[in-house]
Amino acid sequence: GQQVMQIPQYQHVQEGEDFTTYCNSSTTLSNIQWYKQRPGGHPVFLIQLVKSGEVKKQKRLTFQFGEAKKNSSLHITATQTTDVGTYFCAGAVNNAGNMLTFGGGTRLMVKP
Amino acid sequence: NAGVTQTPKFRVLKTGQSMTLLCAQDMNHEYMYWYRQDPGMGLRLIHYSVGEGTTAKGEVPDGYNVSRLKKQNFLLGLESAAPSQTSVYFCASSSLELHNQPQHFGDGTRLSIL
Repeated sequence: GQQVMQIPQYQHVQEGEDFTTYCNSSTTLSNIQWYKQRPGGHPVFLIQLVKSGEVKKQKRLTFQFGEAKKNSSLHITATQTTDVGTYFCAGAVNNAGNMLTFGGGTRLMVKP
Repeated sequence: NAGVTQTPKFRVLKTGQSMTLLCAQDMNHEYMYWYRQDPGMGLRLIHYSVGEGTTAKGEVPDGYNVSRLKKQNFLLGLESAAPSQTSVYFCASSSLELHNQPQHFGDGTRLSIL
């Protein structure tokens, strides 16, 4: 079945440093979504990428979808303590039910 | 709007006991999902539903049953709880649109099986 791998599993950064998490799918995706989960919280939708090579920005966050639609990345510029949490990518193929396959997540810890 | 509401928030069970987790959404979403989250393993889909009266198996369905008798509710049942089912359970819902829509999650149910 479809697998979505995410690296790294953990990342410690000093506040102000940049951070990147990478996501790779075993199959070509129709789209990819990114979610953030704060400690003790639930996943919250950040963004969806649909087109090959697409790049989207949300303030300090930059999301990219690979040309082959099998990989994606999330880059945070100048991390802040409010960025702490686990970031998940979730891949979708064309299917009834809008099902997603989640990566294992990257837990970001930011030292003030 | 409350969004997606899960009850209970916490529960401790003994091995062999049964229980039902309730998920309710007030967004009129067609699709609903049950996931379990274990450390380092992300979210794994247990069962899902594409509409009232329909359910289907996800990635890890064994030991669980579900029902969707009303559009707004999606129930997850554990018939005979096992320690391996200790986890955090999340319910989510999404709308029926042309492309994949965001999934909206509840706050989760933390379940411990002793």
